[in-house]
Amino acid sequence: QSVLTQPPSVSAAPGQKVTISCSGSSSNIGNFYVSWYQHLPGTAPKLLIYDNNQRPSGIPDRFSGSLSGTSAILGITGLQPGDEADYYCGTWHSSQGAVFGGGTKLTVL
Amino acid sequence: QVQLQESGPGLVKPSQTLSLTCTVSGASISSDGSYWSWIRQHPGKGLEYIGYIYYSGITYYNPSLKSRIAMSVGTSQNQFSLNLNSVTAADTAVYYCATTLQFRNDVFDIWGQGTVVTVSS
Repeated sequence: QSVLTQPPSVSAAPGQKVTISCSGSSSNIGNFYVSWYQHLPGTAPKLLIYDNNQRPSGIPDRFSGSLSGTSAILGITGLQPGDEADYYCGTWHSSQGAVFGGGTKLTVL
Repeated sequence: QVQLQESGPGLVKPSQTLSLTCTVSGASISSDGSYWSWIRQHPGKGLEYIGYIYYSGITYYNPSLKSRIAMSVGTSQNQFSLNLNSVTAADTAVYYCATTLQFRNDVFDIWGQGTVVTVSS
């Protein structure tokens, strides 16, 4: 049972927009920054978003992050087949250290 | 660019100690501000944080694993290591090493590819 709650799966057609939610509490998202990671099985996870809405160098602006209270949202526009992956949110917890969501599998139809 | 590579046995017997090493290239393990971290993923599950070690030796361990963990840094080899003792089948997972944004312990910007560890007799 992950500390942060994500939908198990989302899907959308190429070129469309999709959002992935990440729900937490005041012990984590409510008081700490959220990061998002993209993971293709068998490869190293990749940092997409940090500090709720900041993109590391090299991450296209098709990826965006936002925060509302104790929930975070990852948005992906202009979906491409290469975006098909597992996406994880992460943050810090006041008594558990880093915590993550259970992951959301994105399918590009 | 910075790269991390995990290494260690893929099979560990129950009650024994799991020992993994992460070799860092492209950066010094003694760099100020980097938190050298371990994260694992159980089969079909989400990510679980194990903890970090700072180059000075300061550590933070996940409270749920704290009693079984020891991390160390090998500055001459530019490596850091994880020891997890008294393993059970519940420790079967893909183990990742990662480093963080500078002076942050909560944002993992570089990850290794992961190493599969199975606990079985």
